Amino acid sequence: EPEVTQTPSHQVTQMGQEVILRCVPISNHLYFYWYRQILGQKVEFLVSFYNNEISEKSEIFDDQFSVERPDGSNFTLKIRSTKLEDSAMYFCASSEWGSGANVLTFGAGSRLTVL
Amino acid sequence: AQSVTQPDIHITVSEGASLELRCNYSYGATPYLFWYVQSPGQGLQLLLKYFSGDTLVQGIKGFEAEFKRSQSSFNLRKPSVHWSDAAEYFCAVLFSGGYNKLIFGAGTRLAVHP
Repeated sequence: EPEVTQTPSHQVTQMGQEVILRCVPISNHLYFYWYRQILGQKVEFLVSFYNNEISEKSEIFDDQFSVERPDGSNFTLKIRSTKLEDSAMYFCASSEWGSGANVLTFGAGSRLTVL
Repeated sequence: AQSVTQPDIHITVSEGASLELRCNYSYGATPYLFWYVQSPGQGLQLLLKYFSGDTLVQGIKGFEAEFKRSQSSFNLRKPSVHWSDAAEYFCAVLFSGGYNKLIFGAGTRLAVHP
């Protein structure tokens, strides 16, 4: 079964450092997403991406965050200057369509720890 | 405002017992409904979904869920729980209009006693 692959599975970084989380979506999917789960809290939407543009973003997704599809397979989330409160599990997801009855397939997540 | 509520934070059941996890949503129209499961250290795995039609839907691992429009609910059930079902369960709702944006409930952590 096709799956979404995320790397790294766990990253530890110092506050203020830049972090890039990588994702390989399912190959025939066109819509890509990042979600975040702070420990003990609910999973929250960060951003959706289609056709090399951000489709929608939440208020969490401020100027410290950016997303990119640098080539035909990878989808990345960059945090420019990490803060302690960025510590969380970050999930990448992809889907065939952007709206309507649709299933998002999630990756296993990348756990970010900011010290 | 659109919201998803899972009233039970923790549930403990004995192996072999039946299970029902509650989920309610707040929205003016019929949303698309999902249950995901997250095992410790793992990602989010889709258990089942409801888009339209038969309000009782079957999923993987023996789970089922029933959409009740009058109660704005989508409760997850399993007739006989196995120890391997211990995990966190998330109800999620996709509201129509705009791009896909799943709204998740807070999750219910299930513990299974032998």
